[in-house]
Parts: sequence; structure tokens; C-alpha cells
Amino acid sequence: AQSVTQLGSHVSVSEGALVLLRCNYSSSVPPYLFWYVQYPNQGLQLLLKYTSAATLVKGINGFEAEFKKSETSFHLTKPSAHMSDAAEYFCAVGTLNNNDMRFGAGTRLTVKP
Amino acid sequence: ETGVTQSPTHLIKTRGQQVTLRCSSQSGHNTVSWYQQALGQGPQFIFQYYREEENGRGNFPPRFSGLQFPNYSSELNVNALELDDSALYLCASSLDRGRYNEQFFGPGTRLTVL
Repeated sequence: AQSVTQLGSHVSVSEGALVLLRCNYSSSVPPYLFWYVQYPNQGLQLLLKYTSAATLVKGINGFEAEFKKSETSFHLTKPSAHMSDAAEYFCAVGTLNNNDMRFGAGTRLTVKP
Repeated sequence: ETGVTQSPTHLIKTRGQQVTLRCSSQSGHNTVSWYQQALGQGPQFIFQYYREEENGRGNFPPRFSGLQFPNYSSELNVNALELDDSALYLCASSLDRGRYNEQFFGPGTRLTVL
């Protein structure tokens, strides 16, 4: 079965600092991986997705993620944090059978001025 | 192009009651998935509908049921509400079924069970 684990329920960075949100996956087949962002009282917005093409995936708002098969990781990064990046971030894996997605527990990003 | 919409935005029910949540999928999308997001947790898959047929179900009891209509809009019905059903319910539509299809999420319906 496919699953993801997000390391760190809360990450705090200063404005302008590097953002690193960690996600490890478990999958018996080549995974389809996603990062979503959720702002307060809103639904989820897709940041980026990995579908077995390039291992470095660029998304919206300056975010990118690198797929590392040897480490079973798909960490999300952004070189310079902005106040507007403060939100909840979810890593997810597309499942093979149910066509659903399995989400991690989420990481809350706080950006300090 | 209209995105995914859900109604109502908020809902308060008492234990034992029944509730119906509604979702309008994005134009051209034939697949709708429903998720439950408890406070402080990631979304959990309830079920998916593809062209009016159930196309996969998560680990939820039968009192969670759904429908998809010919226009691909969808309903989530929950019978015999329990306190633990309090959550944000998210609907997501996609162009087609299959794990490589991007899912577009609605803003959710927040259900409170007292």
C-alpha cells in the first residue's frame, strides 16, 4: 500500500530564509507524488506533482521538490520564504487501486518577520 | 471556467441526525472524490465516483454514502451522525479517474456534530 510520512508537524523560518519541508513515501510501485498547500478555512491547492518525468519538479510560488528514489523522499523547498507562504502543507501519494490520494498529516509553516 | 464548489459552507447537526453535502465539479470533469479532514490531520479518502458509479472506497462505514449525477455533481450523505464525524469535508474533481489525474479541491464544508 502507498503512504507518505511528513517529518515535523510544525516548521518555523524567518522571512527570506530557506524553506525545507520533508516527506518520505512508501510505495510498491513507481509513485505519483504531490504537494498541496492549504490556507486557513480553504481547500487544498496543488503546488507541484511528480509523475516519473524529471526528478526535480518546479511548482507554483517558487516551490520545488526533488524525487530521490534511493532515499524514498520528496522534500519541498523554497529558497526564500515570504510571509504569504505561511500555511499548512500536505504531501500525498496517488494510490494504484482506489484512484484516491493518501495524505500525510501535514506540516504547518510559520514565517517570522 | 468555474472551479469546484461545495455547499453549504458550514453546518451544525446533532448526534443521530443525517446530513447531505453537495459538490459541483469543475467543468468537463467526470470524477469526484470525497475526503474527510479532521482537525489537525490530513484528508482521508472516503470514496470516489466515476461516471455515476462508485470507483473506490476508503475505510469508512456504510453510513457514509454518495451519489453522482449525470452532470457529474455529487452528494455525500452521512446517516446516524456521531461526534467524531465533526470535520472539514472536501470534494475534489478530476478530468478522469486514475492516480495521475490532478484533483482540484473545493473549499470544503465544515460539519460540526453536537
